[in-house]
Amino acid sequence: GNSVTQMEGPVTLSEEAFLTINCTYTATGYPSLFWYVQYPGEGLQLLLKATKADDKGSNKGFEATYRKETTSFHLEKGSVQVSDSAVYFCAQETSGSRLTFGEGTQLTVNP
Amino acid sequence: DTAVSQTPKYLVTQMGNDKSIKCEQNLGHDTMYWYKQDSKKFLKIMFSYNNKELIINETVPNRFSPKSPDKAHLNLHINSLELGDSAVYFCASSLSGQKNNEQFFGPGTRLTVL
Repeated sequence: GNSVTQMEGPVTLSEEAFLTINCTYTATGYPSLFWYVQYPGEGLQLLLKATKADDKGSNKGFEATYRKETTSFHLEKGSVQVSDSAVYFCAQETSGSRLTFGEGTQLTVNP
Repeated sequence: DTAVSQTPKYLVTQMGNDKSIKCEQNLGHDTMYWYKQDSKKFLKIMFSYNNKELIINETVPNRFSPKSPDKAHLNLHINSLELGDSAVYFCASSLSGQKNNEQFFGPGTRLTVL
Protein backbone atom coordinates (compact mmCIF):
# COMPACT_ATOMS: atom_id res chain seq x y z
CA GLY A 1 0.00 0.00 0.00
CA ASN A 2 0.91 3.66 -0.06
CA SER A 3 3.02 4.92 2.81
CA VAL A 4 5.41 7.69 3.81
CA THR A 5 8.43 7.25 6.05
CA GLN A 6 10.29 10.15 7.66
CA MET A 7 13.50 10.21 9.59
CA GLU A 8 12.92 9.88 13.29
CA GLY A 9 13.14 12.95 15.43
CA PRO A 10 13.53 14.98 17.37
CA VAL A 11 16.15 16.99 15.52
CA THR A 12 18.00 19.73 17.40
CA LEU A 13 20.22 22.20 15.56
CA SER A 14 21.98 25.46 16.22
CA GLU A 15 20.94 28.55 14.32
CA GLU A 16 22.44 28.76 10.80
CA ALA A 17 23.05 25.02 10.65
CA PHE A 18 22.16 22.96 7.57
CA LEU A 19 18.95 20.96 7.80
CA THR A 20 17.98 17.72 6.11
CA ILE A 21 14.86 15.76 6.98
CA ASN A 22 14.63 12.53 5.02
CA CYS A 23 11.38 11.32 3.50
CA THR A 24 10.74 8.25 1.37
CA TYR A 25 7.49 6.96 -0.01
CA THR A 26 5.95 3.82 -1.44
CA ALA A 27 3.22 4.21 -4.01
CA THR A 28 1.76 2.88 -7.20
CA GLY A 29 2.27 5.48 -9.88
CA TYR A 30 3.62 8.95 -9.26
CA PRO A 31 1.76 10.77 -6.53
CA SER A 32 2.08 14.44 -5.75
CA LEU A 33 4.35 15.01 -2.76
CA PHE A 34 4.12 17.64 -0.04
CA TRP A 35 5.85 19.02 3.02
CA TYR A 36 3.58 20.49 5.67
CA VAL A 37 4.76 22.40 8.75
CA GLN A 38 3.02 22.65 12.12
CA TYR A 39 4.14 25.49 14.37
CA PRO A 40 3.47 25.13 18.11
CA GLY A 41 -0.22 25.32 18.92
CA GLU A 42 -1.29 25.68 15.30
CA GLY A 43 -2.70 23.61 12.47
CA LEU A 44 -0.68 22.33 9.54
CA GLN A 45 0.37 24.67 6.74
CA LEU A 46 1.59 23.68 3.32
CA LEU A 47 5.32 24.44 3.07
CA LEU A 48 6.07 23.19 -0.45
CA LYS A 49 4.98 20.63 -3.01
CA ALA A 50 6.05 18.80 -6.17
CA THR A 51 3.73 17.11 -8.61
CA LYS A 52 6.07 15.11 -10.86
CA ALA A 53 9.49 13.53 -10.98
CA ASP A 54 12.46 15.94 -10.83
CA ASP A 55 10.23 18.84 -9.75
CA LYS A 56 11.75 20.96 -7.00
CA GLY A 57 9.43 22.58 -4.49
CA SER A 58 10.74 25.59 -2.60
CA ASN A 59 9.46 28.09 -0.07
CA LYS A 60 10.95 30.20 2.76
CA GLY A 61 14.44 28.87 2.02
CA PHE A 62 13.30 25.24 2.19
CA GLU A 63 13.68 22.93 -0.81
CA ALA A 64 12.75 19.37 -1.71
CA THR A 65 13.23 17.51 -4.98
CA TYR A 66 10.95 14.72 -6.18
CA ARG A 67 13.31 11.79 -6.85
CA LYS A 68 11.55 8.96 -8.64
CA GLU A 69 14.61 6.70 -8.74
CA THR A 70 15.04 6.75 -4.96
CA THR A 71 11.34 7.39 -4.15
CA SER A 72 12.42 10.26 -1.93
CA PHE A 73 11.45 13.84 -1.19
CA HIS A 74 14.02 15.04 1.35
CA LEU A 75 13.55 18.47 2.89
CA GLU A 76 16.59 20.77 3.08
CA LYS A 77 17.41 24.25 4.26
CA GLY A 78 20.83 25.81 4.11
CA SER A 79 20.62 27.93 7.25
CA VAL A 80 17.91 27.36 9.83
CA GLN A 81 16.51 29.99 12.16
CA VAL A 82 14.96 29.74 15.61
CA SER A 83 11.60 30.53 13.99
CA ASP A 84 11.85 27.30 11.96
CA SER A 85 11.27 25.26 15.12
CA ALA A 86 8.18 23.19 14.35
CA VAL A 87 6.99 19.73 13.39
CA TYR A 88 7.49 18.85 9.72
CA PHE A 89 5.30 16.33 7.90
CA CYS A 90 6.00 14.70 4.58
CA ALA A 91 2.88 13.56 2.69
CA GLN A 92 1.77 12.02 -0.57
CA GLU A 93 -1.50 12.29 -2.39
CA THR A 94 -3.16 8.95 -2.91
CA SER A 95 -6.50 8.05 -4.41
CA GLY A 96 -9.77 9.70 -3.47
CA SER A 97 -8.29 13.05 -2.44
CA ARG A 98 -6.46 11.31 0.36
CA LEU A 99 -3.22 12.56 1.89
CA THR A 100 -1.03 9.99 3.61
CA PHE A 101 1.30 11.61 6.13
CA GLY A 102 4.62 10.52 7.56
CA GLU A 103 5.15 10.35 11.29
CA GLY A 104 6.30 13.95 11.60
CA THR A 105 9.74 15.22 12.62
CA GLN A 106 10.11 17.66 15.49
CA LEU A 107 12.77 20.31 14.76
CA THR A 108 14.17 22.54 17.47
CA VAL A 109 16.58 25.31 16.53
CA ASN A 110 18.59 26.85 19.36
CA PRO A 111 20.04 30.37 19.22
CA ASP B 1 -10.57 36.32 6.82
CA THR B 2 -10.72 33.33 4.50
CA ALA B 3 -9.88 30.25 6.49
CA VAL B 4 -10.84 26.94 7.99
CA SER B 5 -12.23 27.50 11.46
CA GLN B 6 -13.03 25.05 14.23
CA THR B 7 -14.91 25.36 17.49
CA PRO B 8 -14.18 24.86 20.26
CA LYS B 9 -10.41 25.18 20.45
CA TYR B 10 -10.29 23.24 23.71
CA LEU B 11 -12.75 20.67 25.01
CA VAL B 12 -12.45 18.95 28.38
CA THR B 13 -15.09 16.42 29.28
CA GLN B 14 -15.82 13.29 31.30
CA MET B 15 -15.79 9.74 29.99
CA GLY B 16 -19.14 8.64 28.65
CA ASN B 17 -20.27 12.10 27.55
CA ASP B 18 -21.31 13.05 24.03
CA LYS B 19 -19.67 16.05 22.38
CA SER B 20 -19.49 17.80 19.01
CA ILE B 21 -16.78 19.73 17.20
CA LYS B 22 -17.74 22.13 14.43
CA CYS B 23 -15.81 23.05 11.32
CA GLU B 24 -16.47 25.69 8.70
CA GLN B 25 -14.52 26.80 5.65
CA ASN B 26 -15.11 29.87 3.51
CA LEU B 27 -12.58 29.00 0.82
CA GLY B 28 -15.18 27.74 -1.63
CA HIS B 29 -13.83 24.20 -1.33
CA ASP B 30 -15.99 21.16 -1.95
CA THR B 31 -14.08 18.56 0.05
CA MET B 32 -13.60 18.49 3.81
CA TYR B 33 -11.73 16.17 6.15
CA TRP B 34 -11.30 15.23 9.78
CA TYR B 35 -7.90 14.12 11.08
CA LYS B 36 -6.86 12.86 14.49
CA GLN B 37 -3.41 13.72 15.86
CA ASP B 38 -2.24 11.65 18.80
CA SER B 39 0.18 12.60 21.56
CA LYS B 40 3.14 11.53 19.40
CA LYS B 41 2.02 13.93 16.66
CA PHE B 42 1.01 11.10 14.34
CA LEU B 43 -1.69 12.37 11.99
CA LYS B 44 -4.34 10.02 10.62
CA ILE B 45 -7.33 10.72 8.43
CA MET B 46 -10.71 9.78 9.83
CA PHE B 47 -13.30 10.99 7.33
CA SER B 48 -13.65 12.92 4.12
CA TYR B 49 -16.73 14.44 2.52
CA ASN B 50 -17.09 15.73 -1.02
CA ASN B 51 -20.15 17.87 -1.70
CA LYS B 52 -21.78 16.56 1.46
CA GLU B 53 -21.18 12.92 0.52
CA LEU B 54 -18.91 10.61 2.50
CA ILE B 55 -15.94 9.49 0.41
CA ILE B 56 -13.40 8.36 2.99
CA ASN B 57 -14.30 6.48 6.15
CA GLU B 58 -11.27 4.99 7.81
CA THR B 59 -11.45 2.37 10.53
CA VAL B 60 -13.00 4.63 13.12
CA PRO B 61 -15.35 3.49 15.92
CA ASN B 62 -18.98 4.12 15.06
CA ARG B 63 -19.14 6.36 18.13
CA PHE B 64 -17.72 8.96 15.74
CA SER B 65 -20.31 10.37 13.33
CA PRO B 66 -19.50 13.15 10.90
CA LYS B 67 -22.26 15.36 9.58
CA SER B 68 -22.07 17.71 6.61
CA PRO B 69 -25.11 20.00 6.39
CA ASP B 70 -23.58 21.76 3.38
CA LYS B 71 -20.24 21.70 1.61
CA ALA B 72 -18.86 24.52 3.78
CA HIS B 73 -19.43 22.65 7.05
CA LEU B 74 -18.30 19.31 8.42
CA ASN B 75 -19.09 18.63 12.06
CA LEU B 76 -17.87 15.71 14.15
CA HIS B 77 -20.06 14.19 16.82
CA ILE B 78 -18.59 11.73 19.31
CA ASN B 79 -20.75 9.52 21.52
CA SER B 80 -19.72 7.82 24.75
CA LEU B 81 -16.31 9.44 24.92
CA GLU B 82 -13.39 7.26 26.04
CA LEU B 83 -9.98 8.12 27.46
CA GLY B 84 -8.34 7.05 24.20
CA ASP B 85 -10.28 9.71 22.30
CA SER B 86 -8.07 12.37 23.86
CA ALA B 87 -6.20 13.96 20.96
CA VAL B 88 -6.09 17.02 18.75
CA TYR B 89 -8.67 16.89 15.96
CA PHE B 90 -8.00 18.84 12.80
CA CYS B 91 -10.46 19.79 10.12
CA ALA B 92 -9.19 20.47 6.61
CA SER B 93 -10.59 21.36 3.21
CA SER B 94 -9.54 21.23 -0.42
CA LEU B 95 -10.85 21.68 -3.94
CA SER B 96 -11.41 18.47 -5.84
CA GLY B 97 -10.38 17.94 -9.43
CA GLN B 98 -6.85 19.20 -8.89
CA LYS B 99 -3.86 16.93 -9.14
CA ASN B 100 -1.92 18.56 -6.33
CA ASN B 101 -4.46 18.21 -3.61
CA GLU B 102 -3.40 21.04 -1.30
CA GLN B 103 -5.35 20.84 1.90
CA PHE B 104 -5.96 23.79 4.20
CA PHE B 105 -6.10 22.99 7.89
CA GLY B 106 -7.99 24.48 10.77
CA PRO B 107 -6.25 25.39 14.06
CA GLY B 108 -7.29 22.15 15.75
CA THR B 109 -9.48 21.18 18.69
CA ARG B 110 -7.70 19.71 21.69
CA LEU B 111 -10.03 17.14 23.26
CA THR B 112 -9.23 15.88 26.75
CA VAL B 113 -11.33 13.07 28.18
CA LEU B 114 -11.05 12.64 31.96
